[in-house]
Amino acid sequence: GDSVTQMEGPVTLSEEAFLTINCTYTATGYPSLFWYVQYPGEGLQLLLKATKADDKGSNKGFEATYRKETTSFHLEKGSVQVSDSAVYFCALRGIKAAGNKLTFGGGTRVLVKP
Amino acid sequence: DAGITQSPRHKVTETGTPVTLRCHQTENHRYMYWYRQDPGHGLRLIHYSYGVKDTDKGEVSDGYSVSRSKTEDFLLTLESATSSQTSVYFCAISEGADTIYFGEGSWLTVV
Repeated sequence: GDSVTQMEGPVTLSEEAFLTINCTYTATGYPSLFWYVQYPGEGLQLLLKATKADDKGSNKGFEATYRKETTSFHLEKGSVQVSDSAVYFCALRGIKAAGNKLTFGGGTRVLVKP
Repeated sequence: DAGITQSPRHKVTETGTPVTLRCHQTENHRYMYWYRQDPGHGLRLIHYSYGVKDTDKGEVSDGYSVSRSKTEDFLLTLESATSSQTSVYFCAISEGADTIYFGEGSWLTVV
């Protein structure tokens, strides 16, 4: 079945540092890939997505490129801020996903210190 | 923000009691979902609905039932709550193979 693996946290960074969160997946064909962000006490918000190979999703300074050859969708940001402290989830929607459901990774907590 | 309201937002209940969580949407989306969030597991799908009275099981459906009698409401019921069902529950909605939007969560503690 479909699955998503992302690096465990917590990831602790200083402000203005470079952030990378690794995400790899297992799925048949070409799934759609997503990054969601969860701020403390809130629900998940879509951060970015990519629906086909080599697509780059971007939003709020974050980027991720759909790499079919390495089955990866790593999240990057060049200069993080304290306000980027959150939990980040990688997810996929398989090509035959029942109910168009999403399959999530375990989440990566990021803490940015001033 | 997607028009999703979950209630209650916080609840403490005793083992063996029934609990119902409600999800209400104002977007008229076809699909509705219940996920649970636990440390190290990310979000796992409990049940989903693809229309009024049309529901199906997710990967962690044991101990849970759902109902959808109106497009806008999706109820999750724990018939007899157990401590293992202590979790944060998220409702989500989507219209086809489009973005899935999440509610703000319901924190449930079973003591």
